[in-house]
Amino acid sequence: GAGVSQSPSNKVTEKGKDVELRCDPISGHTALYWYRQSLGQGLEFLIYFQGNSAPDKSGLPSDRFSAERTGGSVSTLTIQRTQQEDSAVYLCASSVSMADYNEQFFGPGTRLTVL
Amino acid sequence: QQQVKQSPQSLIVQKGGISIINCAYENTAFDYFPWYQQFPGKGPALLIAIRPDVSEKKEGRFTISFNKSAKQFSLHIMDSQPGDSATYFCAASKGNMLTFGGGTRLMVKP
Repeated sequence: GAGVSQSPSNKVTEKGKDVELRCDPISGHTALYWYRQSLGQGLEFLIYFQGNSAPDKSGLPSDRFSAERTGGSVSTLTIQRTQQEDSAVYLCASSVSMADYNEQFFGPGTRLTVL
Repeated sequence: QQQVKQSPQSLIVQKGGISIINCAYENTAFDYFPWYQQFPGKGPALLIAIRPDVSEKKEGRFTISFNKSAKQFSLHIMDSQPGDSATYFCAASKGNMLTFGGGTRLMVKP
């Protein structure tokens, strides 16, 4: 079956420009996560959506970062006025929300390069 | 504050050897401990997971050992193969939120 998809796979932008990254989760998954992975580093949590609840934005590094999830499915991560330190791979994951189990299924990521 | 510490950052093992990656956590509320495997250009994928009510879980060549009192858990890869070369992440969760370790880049030499 279809997994988590992300687009674009690569994005090169100039410093100061805005970018939008898209995530299509697995159908039926109510939970959606965004992570950032800098070169050779671990996964940095950014934001978490669960159903129709207010998202957990505790991981967003600055107010330049925002995300939305429309209709409980597709999500868009927006970075405004990009900086060179925003260069990283942005990963999206989704899961079936259960009280005591959490396997997250990851997409292939979007590699963002800010020149 | 890094709640899950992973070591080593990188590991080189000969084919057929045992790869061992260690993780330590701080939050005693964590109740689910998965390991994810990531190949270059791909997203991480769940490899194996354990709950704190058991001390060991084995799936094929992969084993998780869990020490609740020490708040530590480890991944053992037996008979390591070049195809196991990847980055491995431990994680811990309570509910829907996963906290990841920093990752270990494993290289298995032929």
